[in-house]
Amino acid sequence: DSGVTQTPKHLITATGQRVTLRCSPRSGDLSVYWYQQSLDQGLQFLIQYYNGEERAKGNILERFSAQQFPDLHSELNLSSLELGDSALYFCASSPTGGTNTGELFFGEGSRLTVL
Amino acid sequence: QQQVKQSPQSLIVQKGGISIINCAYENTAFDYFPWYQQFPGKGPALLIAIRPDVSEKKEGRFTISFNKSAKQFSLHIMDSQPGDSATYFCAARGNTGKLIFGQGTTLQVKP
Repeated sequence: DSGVTQTPKHLITATGQRVTLRCSPRSGDLSVYWYQQSLDQGLQFLIQYYNGEERAKGNILERFSAQQFPDLHSELNLSSLELGDSALYFCASSPTGGTNTGELFFGEGSRLTVL
Repeated sequence: QQQVKQSPQSLIVQKGGISIINCAYENTAFDYFPWYQQFPGKGPALLIAIRPDVSEKKEGRFTISFNKSAKQFSLHIMDSQPGDSATYFCAARGNTGKLIFGQGTTLQVKP
């Protein structure tokens, strides 16, 4: 158990809908990272937050947004869903968010299926 | 510049054999190179990591070899076991702490 909690574990929805994925980082970790894992794309970095502020942005679509709340949990919002958004979404956390960042601890993921 | 390329995509090895997975990167600003192991239904977990000032790191049956001039690094799994069957990702760390991952290698170790 990494200490990172993601909910829901599974989600099935229809095209055009909007969903919210939630992540609770390990106790004390200030950085949260979101990754998308699909069969043909591996683990794609989406976005990073550090202590409530956006720290780095990757290949995140404009239809997707995220935030980190004062209690350090994070939410990833996916809107106007398309079939191609079906994937596993992972959250990871780390104590820091800079060049001294060591291990990233991953949750077990949220599997999104868009029908 | 932000890519990490990993090969092979899949690998089948006999029990007791050596598994070798290779990665290459472009961005010389990367400063930390971990390997993550992922079992089905689970999130990736850190297996072993190396910094670019070291050419080799060994932890048990797992060894990372690092070639800074060639911008390449590899994972060697000695005496591969069926329990090592998993997906392996190499990664490189950027300046904010984010990891850029390779495409992954699915390893199957046959008994």
